[in-house]
This record gives sequence, structure tokens and C-alpha cells, in this order.
Amino acid sequence: KQEVTQIPAALSVPEGENLVLNCSFTDSAIYNLQWFRQDPGKGLTSLLLIQSSQREQTSGRLNASLDKSSGRSTLYIAASQPGDSATYLCAVTGSARQLTFGSGTQLTVLP
Amino acid sequence: GAVVSQHPSWVICKSGTSVKIECRSLDFQATTMFWYRQFPKQSLMLMATSNEGSKATYEQGVEKDKFLINHASLTLSTLTVTSAHPEDSSFYICSARRPGLAEGEQFFGPGTRLTVL
Repeated sequence: KQEVTQIPAALSVPEGENLVLNCSFTDSAIYNLQWFRQDPGKGLTSLLLIQSSQREQTSGRLNASLDKSSGRSTLYIAASQPGDSATYLCAVTGSARQLTFGSGTQLTVLP
Repeated sequence: GAVVSQHPSWVICKSGTSVKIECRSLDFQATTMFWYRQFPKQSLMLMATSNEGSKATYEQGVEKDKFLINHASLTLSTLTVTSAHPEDSSFYICSARRPGLAEGEQFFGPGTRLTVL
């Protein structure tokens, strides 16, 4: 059974810092990996989707990498802003074509 | 962009009553819809997968008689929590897929907060 782990569970940084969020998964047989943002009491916003054949994806200040063989992904956020404060979830699509989510990293960017 | 709505956004009910939550794809036809549950400080757990016109597929440990799912059209799926109890209090999120998306790619609704007293 696929398990997805995210470290750290919570992170607090001053505005302007670059930061890295980590995600690991136990079964490397995935179609893709996605990073989502969730604001309190809200649904999910898709940030980046990396296909299993890709190594990274970039969108603005966000860069996500994928090392499928080692079961790891990182989300890099450059020049963090208070508006980046949210919970970040990673999820993998397995052979059943369903998403398995990690427990998330709660990010707080202090002004 | 693709929009998925949920109604209601929050609901409070008494123990023993039934609650229906609607999930709609507003600008596309959803071949598949998914229902997730999220407890506080925890991640999303898939409850069931719903295909239009067929019975939903429930994940292990999810009671199909308690969580009734109906996907009667390509734009609407409903989740009915029957005889709700306080332990059913949670955040319920639906998502929808349409043809042409990458595997696992889904559009998520804003969620429904259910509180059972």
C-alpha cells in the first residue's frame, strides 16, 4: 500500500526566505506526483504536476523536483511571501489511478 | 478553467439525521467524481470513486450503506451521510475528472464542513 510522508509537518520562516518542503513515497510505481495548496477550511489548489518521466516542473516562484527511483520529491519556494502561508500537500497517482495524499506541511511566512 | 462547486459549504445537524452534499462540475462533463474526507490536521482520505450511471466504488473501511453516493448525471454527484453521528463530523471534499487530463489529475471542490451535534 502506498504511503506518502511529508516533512516537516510545520514550518515558520521570515518573509523573503527560500524554503524547501519534502515529500517521500514508498511505491515508486507512480504515474505522477502533484503538489497542492490548501488554505484553512478550503479546498485544494493544484500547484504543479510532475509526470513520472519528468524530473522537475516550474511555475513562477515554485519549483518541484521528482526522483522516482528514490521515492522523493521536493517543492522549492523562492522569496517566500506572507501570502504563501497555507498547508502544502503532495499526492501521488498510483497504479489504481487514484491519489494518495501526504499529511501536509503547514507553512507560515512571517511578515 | 474547470470549476467544481459543492453545496452546502457547511452544515450542522443533529445526531441521527441524514445530510446530502452536492458536487457539481460547472463548465465540463465529469466522467468520474471522487469523494474525500479530511479530519482536522490530517490529510485527505479517499472514500469512494463515482462513475456516471454506475455504482460507486468504495474504499476499504468506508460503509457504503452509511455514505450513499449517486452520480446521476455528468455534472452532478451527491453524497448522503445517513444517520449521521458526531464521529462523522469532518470536512468532505469532492473532485472531478474529465477526459484528456493526466492520470490522477482532478479538479477539487471547495469542501463542505459537516458538524454533527
